[in-house]
Amino acid sequence: EDQVTQSPEALRLQEGESSSLNCSYTVSGLRGLFWYRQDPGKGPEFLFTLYSAGEEKEKERLKATLTKKESFLHITAPKPEDSATYLCAVQVNTDKLIFGTGTRLQVFP
Amino acid sequence: DGGITQSPKYLFRKEGQNVTLSCEQNLNHDAMYWYRQDPGQGLRLIYYSQIVNDFQKGDIAEGYSVSREKKESFPLTVTSAQKNPTAFYLCASTLRGAEAFFGQGTRLTVV
Repeated sequence: EDQVTQSPEALRLQEGESSSLNCSYTVSGLRGLFWYRQDPGKGPEFLFTLYSAGEEKEKERLKATLTKKESFLHITAPKPEDSATYLCAVQVNTDKLIFGTGTRLQVFP
Repeated sequence: DGGITQSPKYLFRKEGQNVTLSCEQNLNHDAMYWYRQDPGQGLRLIYYSQIVNDFQKGDIAEGYSVSREKKESFPLTVTSAQKNPTAFYLCASTLRGAEAFFGQGTRLTVV
């Protein structure tokens, strides 16, 4: 069965304290792995797409990496405005798009 | 501007009533999806469709139904068989292998 697991469920950071979020997956036929940011009451906002092991993408304070079994979202020197829920999703060869349960990030000044 | 439009933004359902949530996209995407999100939770897949007149059950399809008569439209009906429908519903569309675009969601409440 295709499965996506994110950890930790919640993360509290001091402003400037770098950390990483994990997304591990077990799927048959990976087409792509996606990271999204979601603010309360809104739809998810796209951040990154990763297609193959070893691939990395960066945007401002965020960097996403991919291995054959997991992906990491690294947050460097976070700011309070980075507070949100971060979602990982995997698309498999059947076009099914499966999300993890998310990591709720809070960054305190 | 291209995008996905969900309506209504808020919806109230009485016990035993069927309600339909609308999702329209003008991105020319083939695949469309419906997700349910409960407070503090991730997105759970209800149904998805790869092409017109075809759709597949997701992980929590019981109590829901969909149709895909047009490429642009993928409405979701929450039937009376769904015993706990209060949730935030999100529609998405995607080109194969590319990122999904989301609507702004419909918040459904049972009254």
